[in-house]
Amino acid sequence: DAGVTQSPTHLIKTRGQQVTLRCSPKSGHDTVSWYQQALGQGPQFIFQYYEEEERQRGNFPDRFSGHQFPNYSSELNVNALLLGDSALYLCASSLDGWTGARSTFGSGTRLTVV
Amino acid sequence: LAKTTQPISMDSYEGQEVNITCSHNNIATNDYITWYQQFPSQGPRFIIQGYKTKVTNEVASLFIPADRKSSTLSLPRVSLSDTAVYYCLVGDRDKIIFGKGTRLHILP
Repeated sequence: DAGVTQSPTHLIKTRGQQVTLRCSPKSGHDTVSWYQQALGQGPQFIFQYYEEEERQRGNFPDRFSGHQFPNYSSELNVNALLLGDSALYLCASSLDGWTGARSTFGSGTRLTVV
Repeated sequence: LAKTTQPISMDSYEGQEVNITCSHNNIATNDYITWYQQFPSQGPRFIIQGYKTKVTNEVASLFIPADRKSSTLSLPRVSLSDTAVYYCLVGDRDKIIFGKGTRLHILP
């Protein structure tokens, strides 16, 4: 049973560019959440998608947007990249929004903005 | 969401029992207590979850006193591979709020 799959694993972008990160949730899960983790810090919640809609959002600017598809997979888009957007981006999936319970995390996408 | 406070770091030796305590004074009635483990360049991994008293699974135990204002993660007989960051989280169906976690370093 595959867990959460994220792609790509690593990415280098130039300041001002746009990036799209992808996530396939664990089989049977219908909720996807995205997190940003800077080096040495805990993951910071970006937003959560359920039934193809953004259900909750953390303290991130509108440059961060997302989408969930009918098959529950999800994308995270970041526009106008800043150097400070360099981080590990984690996707987590769960069933029906029980994110506080048994979320399954992917290994993340390491984004470097130069 | 209730804020959690954990020690920044801990050291222990192989074969020892390690206890990591988390303070959550403002825990709400519906909140569960969940612990995650994270290795470098990997996503957090669920360890254990509880609401009250004691919960035990194949890798850890979670002790929660009656007032639920704190909790203790107990790792029996740790090995070098248990070196990781451990996060204590409090919440219900809401988004997960991670603190800085506890960096556990196991020594040979």
